[in-house]
Amino acid sequence: AQTVTQSQPEMSVQEAETVTLSCTYDTSESNYYLFWYKQPPSRQMILVIRQEAYKQQNATENRFSVNFQKAAKSFSLKISDSQLGDTAMYFCAFMIAGGGADGLTFGKGTHLIIQP
Amino acid sequence: DGGITQSPKYLFRKEGQNVTLSCEQNLNHDAMYWYRQDPGQGLRLIYYSQIVNDFQKGDIAEGYSVSREKKESFPLTVTSAQKNPTAFYLCASSIGGHLPTYNEQFFGPGTRLTVL
Repeated sequence: AQTVTQSQPEMSVQEAETVTLSCTYDTSESNYYLFWYKQPPSRQMILVIRQEAYKQQNATENRFSVNFQKAAKSFSLKISDSQLGDTAMYFCAFMIAGGGADGLTFGKGTHLIIQP
Repeated sequence: DGGITQSPKYLFRKEGQNVTLSCEQNLNHDAMYWYRQDPGQGLRLIYYSQIVNDFQKGDIAEGYSVSREKKESFPLTVTSAQKNPTAFYLCASSIGGHLPTYNEQFFGPGTRLTVL
């Protein structure tokens, strides 16, 4: 079984600052996907970024980037130039590759607050 | 518009009653999922279905039942056997299939169930 751990229940930063959210995972699989989802107050789950485990290059989507350390089983999310609209719950999630119709395993989330 | 709909948005139930949550998708996806979200917890997988007339238990299936008679519909019944049903329930779908490529899961807006 896979586990995902997010050790920061809540973080708060000033607008325009850079913030890094931590995620570690445990698995015996060698091929898998990792994700960061955003859940704003509307509670709609929004995919922020994904990383394929077989890719060494870290994924980037505009202001969002990841630091994927496969050996350390670490997958952190960096948000640059943070904006008020980034305030949300952020969940790290894991999925086995090839098990494309299996479910996601989520961490407990980090509540990120961007202060004006 | 293609997407996933869940109804109702809010649902109240008396103790001892069964209740059914609706999930419909028009994305032509084969796979569908039900997740439960509690405060301070990530999403946990209840049931998933990879194809019509087939479904599997997730991590917390006790007290729940599902059916998959149509490709576009995956209703979840919360039975009286579920001891703590008050939670936020999210439905998701993906293309499905055990493919080596990534299958993104798309989420519905959720149903908030409260037991009175």
